[in-house]
Amino acid sequence: DIQMTQSPSSLSASVGDRVTISCRASQTISSYLNWYQQKPGKAPKLLIYAASSLQSGVPSRFSGGGSETDFSLTINNLQPEDFATYYCQQSYSTPQTFGGGTKVEIK
Amino acid sequence: QVQLQESGPGLVKPSETLSLTCTVSGGSLSSYYWTWIRQSPGKGLEWIGYIHYSGSTSYNPSLNSRVTMSIDASKNQFSLSLSSVTAADTAVFYCARRTQRCGRTICYAYFDYWGQGTLVTVSS
Repeated sequence: DIQMTQSPSSLSASVGDRVTISCRASQTISSYLNWYQQKPGKAPKLLIYAASSLQSGVPSRFSGGGSETDFSLTINNLQPEDFATYYCQQSYSTPQTFGGGTKVEIK
Repeated sequence: QVQLQESGPGLVKPSETLSLTCTVSGGSLSSYYWTWIRQSPGKGLEWIGYIHYSGSTSYNPSLNSRVTMSIDASKNQFSLSLSSVTAADTAVFYCARRTQRCGRTICYAYFDYWGQGTLVTVSS
């Protein structure tokens, strides 16, 4: 199985900040990397697919980058509704696997 | 707008079979892989497997021997059975749609629609 490792596991930030979350795959996955946002009691929501493609309806302050084994999710101008947990997920091979999550909290 | 809704018992006894159904509205089952994902309390997300409209399946090897998925296109539903459950199977179970987007030479897949999730507790 491909292991997905996210860092940090949590972070504190303020409204208006720029936040970057990292995701590392245990083997190369090209650009087969998706990012999701999950709020308490809700299902995950797709933000980014194919490492850097913004899902329809997602604000442009979200961006993704990277390839092969190292990826990042950046949130510019952090908004109150962005405080949530973020997960990366590889779609390169089965079993599809997710990172452990990064919780973005209010400072 | 595509919507997914999980249904099934919220409590299952140890050693019994967990059965859930996902009803899809606002769209057809055809051309997609339909997925089950679970999330144990306070933990991350685990892909259980998916089933294609055609009936072909792919399961997580960690659960493979206990998982069965089926699809009923006439009802726009797909289902999950997980046998011989233990307390470790207690989780929120989500159904989701796997969409594949293809360019000229490459296809990317992602889970774009999710159900709200249903908590299944395994306890006697």
